[in-house]
Amino acid sequence: EAQVTQNPRYLITVTGKKLTVTCSQNMNHEYMSWYRQDPGLGLRQIYYSMNVEVTDKGDVPEGYKVSRKEKRNFPLILESPSPNQTSLYFCASSLALGKQFFGPGTRLTVL
Amino acid sequence: ILNVEQSPQSLHVQEGDSTNFTCSFPSSNFYALHWYRWETAKSPEALFVMTLNGDEKKKGRISATLNTKEGYSYLYIKGSQPEDSATYLCAPNYGGSQGNLIFGKGTKLSVKP
Repeated sequence: EAQVTQNPRYLITVTGKKLTVTCSQNMNHEYMSWYRQDPGLGLRQIYYSMNVEVTDKGDVPEGYKVSRKEKRNFPLILESPSPNQTSLYFCASSLALGKQFFGPGTRLTVL
Repeated sequence: ILNVEQSPQSLHVQEGDSTNFTCSFPSSNFYALHWYRWETAKSPEALFVMTLNGDEKKKGRISATLNTKEGYSYLYIKGSQPEDSATYLCAPNYGGSQGNLIFGKGTKLSVKP
């Protein structure tokens, strides 16, 4: 089944404790992206990647890192999480920049 | 930061009503417009990707039009059903296949049986 998977789906952590949210797709998509969704603000792009080893900042990259060492994986790294990074995170992938296929979401709470 | 406006913010209609809403975006350097449907507790799901001025796409009872010169797109739902209740998001892309999507805040549609 074609899909985008994210792990974990839910995470409660504390300020400053490094964490990684994984994203994997099995559709051989070149383009992958991370978004965060906050009430009243809609979906905002954090980082995107057009292919392996090619990443670029979206609208809200501060406090996040990404890597794209393999085509199928695009992990989101929070080196030192802070409470303002409490949010719902979505990973998405597509061929070039066509229709985005979204993962199930990761709800992160930083205390 | 580019401003993408969707109106109305929310809409309540009766089952069977037809409805439409708007996405407005800057027209300069426009490449493509995406529409997504987002049901509560689920992930956004792609409806359409449109690129050409005057383009019209249709999927069942849902259709969309695009005006790239003036920077707007309409989404129409014919004969709304309760299962159409969702938030509808538009997202223009300005960088082509090398760019990124800018999402609007969405129009939340509620269809009462």
